[in-house]
Amino acid sequence: NAGVMQNPRHLVRRRGQEARLRCSPMKGHSHVYWYRQLPEEGLKFMVYLQKENIIDESGMPKERFSAEFPKEGPSILRIQQVVRGDSAAYFCASSPEQSNTEAFFGQGTRLTVV
Amino acid sequence: QKEVEQDPGPLSVPEGAIVSLNCTYSNSAFQYFMWYRQYSRKGPELLMYTYSSGNKEDGRFTAQVDKSSKYISLFIRDSQPSDSATYLCAMSARGGGADGLTFGKGTHLIIQP
Repeated sequence: NAGVMQNPRHLVRRRGQEARLRCSPMKGHSHVYWYRQLPEEGLKFMVYLQKENIIDESGMPKERFSAEFPKEGPSILRIQQVVRGDSAAYFCASSPEQSNTEAFFGQGTRLTVV
Repeated sequence: QKEVEQDPGPLSVPEGAIVSLNCTYSNSAFQYFMWYRQYSRKGPELLMYTYSSGNKEDGRFTAQVDKSSKYISLFIRDSQPSDSATYLCAMSARGGGADGLTFGKGTHLIIQP
């Protein structure tokens, strides 16, 4: 029973490049959440998606960040024109329908912008 | 004032001691309370989940919620070196897949053998 799978585990990008982070939820889970963890900071909610729908993106920066969860395939968090301040650990969580309080997290993608 | 306050520690205790971890919060709409454990360079792992006020026990772990004081606690009995990790409290106003979680910064716990 595979858990939440995130890849890549580590990603290095130069300033101005694009970063694409992938998340495959646990089997049977239809809700996906993305969180960002900056050094010495707690996890901050970014976006909540269901299949083909963005439900809540109140935590997403207004520019350069986007997320999708297509009908087929993993959820994608895309960061365009990355800057050094985007360096962080990005975690994806998934939950069964109607149970966001039992969210299971992936191992995260550590993005480093150089 | 941050929505969720949590002492970052580190908190260092000897093996076998009872550990008390706490969070305070300001948003009275929070009704769902979780504790996660996060080992270094790993994702958070759900330990306990409590709805509204009251206590919940699971093995060596006990979670307490006092909504009147906006204060939640996690107790770990018979602490072991493998419990050394960062403990994150998290909260939500609505269950049922309705919103994301608001986290504390986490408390770094060290259990000395």
